[in-house]
Amino acid sequence: NAGVMQNPRHLVRRRGQEARLRCSPMKGHSHVYWYRQLPEEGLKFMVYLQKENIIDESGMPKERFSAEFPKEGPSILRIQQVVRGDSAAYFCASSPRLFRDLGFDEQFFGPGTRLTVL
Amino acid sequence: AQKITQTQPGMFVQEKEAVTLDCTYDTSDPSYGLFWYKQPSSGEMIFLIYQGSYDQQNATEGRYSLNFQKARKSANLVISASQLGDSAMYFCAMRETSGSRLTFGEGTQLTVNP
Repeated sequence: NAGVMQNPRHLVRRRGQEARLRCSPMKGHSHVYWYRQLPEEGLKFMVYLQKENIIDESGMPKERFSAEFPKEGPSILRIQQVVRGDSAAYFCASSPRLFRDLGFDEQFFGPGTRLTVL
Repeated sequence: AQKITQTQPGMFVQEKEAVTLDCTYDTSDPSYGLFWYKQPSSGEMIFLIYQGSYDQQNATEGRYSLNFQKARKSANLVISASQLGDSAMYFCAMRETSGSRLTFGEGTQLTVNP
């Protein structure tokens, strides 16, 4: 069973360009989470999606950022008109369902996409 | 709002010794889960151990154990018999049952010396 896949692993963009980050969850997982890790910091939640639905986007910047998880294909995190402050590692995690037992549902993380904005 | 605090930016330990990485949390939800992840220099996030708020016993996974003190709201990670490969960044995280997101601490950089 392949793990969570993210591509590209490294992405370089110039200021003003668009960045598209892809995440393929583990087989059978319908819940996807995106986190951002700025240099020297912990991961910060961005958005939680199920197939075709955004469930919680309270961690997403209001402008330039969007996410989707279509019925077919990977989840996409899109950053328009990138700025230097967007340089970070972006992690995707997936889980099979939200709750199990008393609430433990491990989120399996992908290897991350490291975005560098020049 | 939930919050995770890791007060040790860096820790050093001699190979084969035990080390404790501190984590305190704050939540008003009576039901929650606590997690530890390891992030080596290669960057991936590796799940280590989980503790549920209603679990009666401290969680253990091989050389990893979680010292869970609910009244003090602490969930310290204990690594026994440290190995050179344990050198990495360690993150404590929490998820409330009422929510979906993981909230992470700022991390502790562990260095194991030979």
